[in-house]
Amino acid sequence: ETGVTQTPRHLVMGMTNKKSLKCEQHLGHNAMYWYKQSAKKPLELMFVYNFKEQTENNSVPSRFSPECPNSSHLFLHLHTLQPEDSALYLCASSTRLAGDPDTQYFGPGTRLTVL
Amino acid sequence: AQKITQTQPGMFVQEKEAVTLDCTYDTSDPSYGLFWYKQPSSGEMIFLIYQGSYDQQNATEGRYSLNFQKARKSANLVISASQLGDSAMYFCAMRELGGSEKLVFGKGMKLTVNP
Repeated sequence: ETGVTQTPRHLVMGMTNKKSLKCEQHLGHNAMYWYKQSAKKPLELMFVYNFKEQTENNSVPSRFSPECPNSSHLFLHLHTLQPEDSALYLCASSTRLAGDPDTQYFGPGTRLTVL
Repeated sequence: AQKITQTQPGMFVQEKEAVTLDCTYDTSDPSYGLFWYKQPSSGEMIFLIYQGSYDQQNATEGRYSLNFQKARKSANLVISASQLGDSAMYFCAMRELGGSEKLVFGKGMKLTVNP
C-alpha cells in the first residue's frame, strides 16, 4: 500500500448504528486530519492530530469521535448520526516539519450515507 | 481571517488548449502557502502544486504552473495542453504559516475538457 488509504470507501448506516472509518498513511508523516465534504460546500476541517495528540477540534458534534493510536492510523467513530451528516469524509496526512510547506496528502475518502 | 475565493463555477476547454483557473485570497499573515488540488469524480484530493509567499519565482510542476501575483493576492493555476483526464474539480487552498494548522479551501470549480 502507498500513500493514504481509507476504508470503507462507501458506507450506508442508520441513525442508530455505530460504525468506524479507518485511515492509514504510509508516508511516514506525523500529522493526520479528518475533513468533511458536503455537497456544494467547501471542505471543512474536523480534527487534527500531531504526533498522536489531538490539536484541533473544529466544533465537531460529539457523535463524531476520533481516535489516533499512532502516527500512521486514524479512526473516526460514528454513532447516532443524522441524515445531514451524509458526506464524503476525507483523511489527510502531512509531515509537520519546521520549514516545510506541510503539504497535506489525501486519501480517496469514505462516502457516507445516513438513512 | 484567511479566505479563499474561486468565482468560476465551471469552465470548458478544448483538449490540448491551455486553461487558467482563478483564485484570489485574503490574509494578514505575511507568511503563507498556497496550494492547488484536483478532485476527480472518484473523490480523492490530489495535490498539484505549491507556492510560498516568499518564493521569488512562480511554481511549476509539469503541465501545471501557478501565476502568483502577490500584490493582487491572486494565485491562478495554469494548465497547459489540457487532457481529457484533467476534467475534475479544482480547489485552491491556503495555510497561514505563522502557526495555524488550518488549510482553508475555496469552494472549487469544475473543469471539463472536451475532445
